[in-house]
Amino acid sequence: KNEVEQSPQNLTAQEGEFITINCSYSVGISALHWLQQHPGGGIVSLFMLSSGKKKHGRLIATINIQEKHSSLHITASHPRDSAVYICAVVGNTPLVFGKGTRLSVIA
Amino acid sequence: DVKVTQSSRYLVKRTGEKVFLECVQDMDHENMFWYRQDPGLGLRLIYFSYDVKMKEKGDIPEGYSVSREKKERFSLILESASTNQTSMYLCASSGSEIYGYTFGSGTRLTVV
Repeated sequence: KNEVEQSPQNLTAQEGEFITINCSYSVGISALHWLQQHPGGGIVSLFMLSSGKKKHGRLIATINIQEKHSSLHITASHPRDSAVYICAVVGNTPLVFGKGTRLSVIA
Repeated sequence: DVKVTQSSRYLVKRTGEKVFLECVQDMDHENMFWYRQDPGLGLRLIYFSYDVKMKEKGDIPEGYSVSREKKERFSLILESASTNQTSMYLCASSGSEIYGYTFGSGTRLTVV
C-alpha cells in the first residue's frame, strides 16, 4: 500500500470552479509539501506545511495531523492552473510522493 | 534565477551506453536527490546524498550509481543503459528535510 494516497487521480473542471485535491498518508510526518508540475516536467513547490492552513493567492492548503490528511484547494480555477499536483511528506526518510492528480481546467 | 540545473532536457542514448546525468545547485544545500518519474508510478527515489562523498540508496537503485565529489554537484550514472531506464529524471536539493525542496527542470531520457 502506498504511504501517500492522492485523490482524485484525474480531474476536469470548468473555468471558475472551486477545486479540491486530497492527500492521505499513513506514516508519521514532520511536514507535508504540495508541488505543481506543468507539462515539460519542471516541479515547483507551492506549500510546505506542518499544521493548520496556508494561503497563497487562489491556492489554499490545509492539514489535519490527527487525521493524517491534507487538502489543496483552488478557488476561481483558470486554464493556467492545469497541471499535475503532487503531495509529498517528510518523515524519517527522504520525501515520499503521492502519484499526483492531473488537473485540466477548461475555458 | 535557476537554482538547480540539470545538464540536458532531452537525451537519447543507445542500449549499453554509459550515461551521465549531471545536476548542479547554487544554494549551498547539503542534501541532493535523484528521482525518476514514470506514468502511473509517480516519483521514485533512486539515490540521495546528505554530504560530499556520501551516498545512500533510495527505493530503486538497481542499474544506477551516483557521484558527489563537490557539494554543488550530484551526478547520476547509468553504467549500461537499458530500455527500461527510459524515463524522466529529476534532481532536487534541500537545505533541510523539513524545508523546501528545489527541483531541476528534469531530463527526459530515451534509451533505444
